[in-house]
Amino acid sequence: AQSVAQPEDQVNVAEGNPLTVKCTYSVSGNPYLFWYVQYPNRGLQFLLKYITGDNLVKGSYGFEAEFNKSQTSFHLKKPSALVSDSALYFCAVRVVGLEYGNKLVFGAGTILRVKS
Amino acid sequence: EAGVTQFPSHSVIEKGQTVTLRCDPISGHDNLYWYRRVMGKEIKFLLHFVKESKQDESGMPNNRFLAERTGGTYSTLKVQPAELEDSGVYFCASRKGGEQYFGPGTRLTVT
Repeated sequence: AQSVAQPEDQVNVAEGNPLTVKCTYSVSGNPYLFWYVQYPNRGLQFLLKYITGDNLVKGSYGFEAEFNKSQTSFHLKKPSALVSDSALYFCAVRVVGLEYGNKLVFGAGTILRVKS
Repeated sequence: EAGVTQFPSHSVIEKGQTVTLRCDPISGHDNLYWYRRVMGKEIKFLLHFVKESKQDESGMPNNRFLAERTGGTYSTLKVQPAELEDSGVYFCASRKGGEQYFGPGTRLTVT
C-alpha cells in the first residue's frame, strides 16, 4: 500500500536561511509525488510535482524538490526562506491505476515557521 | 476561472445532529474528490466521483456518511448523525486532466 511520511511536525528556520521539509514515501511501482501548501484560512495549493525525468523539480514561489529513488525521499527545499513561506506543507503520492482514480495519499503535514 | 468552492467554511453542530457540506468543482471537471483531515493527522481520501457516479468510496468511514453528485456538477456530503470523531476539515478537489485543485475546506466541529 502507498504511504507517505513527514517525520517533522514542525520546522523552524530564520528568514534568509535555506529550508528543507522532509518527505519519504512507500509505493508499488513508479511514484507520482506532490507537494501542497496550506496558508492560514486557505485551501490546499499545488506547489510542484514529480512524475518522471529530472530528479530536481522546480515549483511555485521559488520552491524545489529533489526526488531520490534510492532513499525513497522527496524533500522540499528553498534556498532562502521568507516569512511569508510560513504555512502547513503536505507531501502526497498519487495512487496509480485507473481503478484508483488518481486519488492522493498524504502525509500528516509539516508546519513551517520562518522567523525574521 | 473560478476555483473549487466549498460551503460552509465552518460548521459547529452538536453530536447527533445532521450536517451537509457542499462542494462546487471547477466547471467542466468530471472528477471530484472528498478528503478529510482530522486534527493533526494526515489528509485522508474519502471518495471519488466521475461525473455523477461513485468511482471509489473506499475511504468513507461508515454509513453515517452519504455523498451525492446529482447531475454531475456540485456534490454534497451529509453526515447523519454526527459524532465527535467526525470533527475535522473536509476538503473537496476536482480534476480534469492531471492536477487536483482543492477548495478551501469546511471545518466541522462536533460538540
